[in-house]
Amino acid sequence: DTAVSQTPKYLVTQMGNDKSIKCEQNLGHDTMYWYKQDSKKFLKIMFSYNNKELIINETVPNRFSPKSPDKAHLNLHINSLELGDSAVYFCASSRDRYNEQFFGPGTRLTVL
Amino acid sequence: DAKTTQPPSMDCAEGRAANLPCNHSTISGNEYVYWYRQIHSQGPQYIIHGLKNNETNEMASLIITEDRKSSTLILPHATLRDTAVYYCIALNAGNNRKLIWGLGTSLAVNP
Repeated sequence: DTAVSQTPKYLVTQMGNDKSIKCEQNLGHDTMYWYKQDSKKFLKIMFSYNNKELIINETVPNRFSPKSPDKAHLNLHINSLELGDSAVYFCASSRDRYNEQFFGPGTRLTVL
Repeated sequence: DAKTTQPPSMDCAEGRAANLPCNHSTISGNEYVYWYRQIHSQGPQYIIHGLKNNETNEMASLIITEDRKSSTLILPHATLRDTAVYYCIALNAGNNRKLIWGLGTSLAVNP
């Protein structure tokens, strides 16, 4: 059973399109995160939700909008995709905001 | 959060202990030391964390110096599957803690 799952695994799209990445965790965790890993392999936090409430919102373009319909899901919607959005996006979850994080397998987004 | 410094790469022979160092000379009293690793093309994986005392779990041991300015992650019997990038992160105990990731140490375990 996959603890943190993401769909899709790969996403190739054209500039200007709108796309969504879905994340689900079956660990019963309260806190979920979105990270971006760029081509230089730096991993940066984008957003964090605790019990469906946004608690971390880094300097991310407002084209990126997270949505947490319930504690087990945190989706990432991206409008007007740009070339610089190409990266691997990781979802993670933790029991609460103070505990270790469990990561999903990543979604490789390529914007052409 | 304190900045951490790690060597960019290390090698280890299969079956031997891998000792990965991390400097965190500006760490404050309420900052934990966390270790994660990322195997190629996978999501990061939590390994271990500690505050002052040495810690051990089924994956690794964490040795923190008495002044807490550095630590060492020990994989006691490295296998080929331990080849990965290892990240040392100093994380404060306050609200809305954020993992600040560096470039880590790329560990190659050789047969």
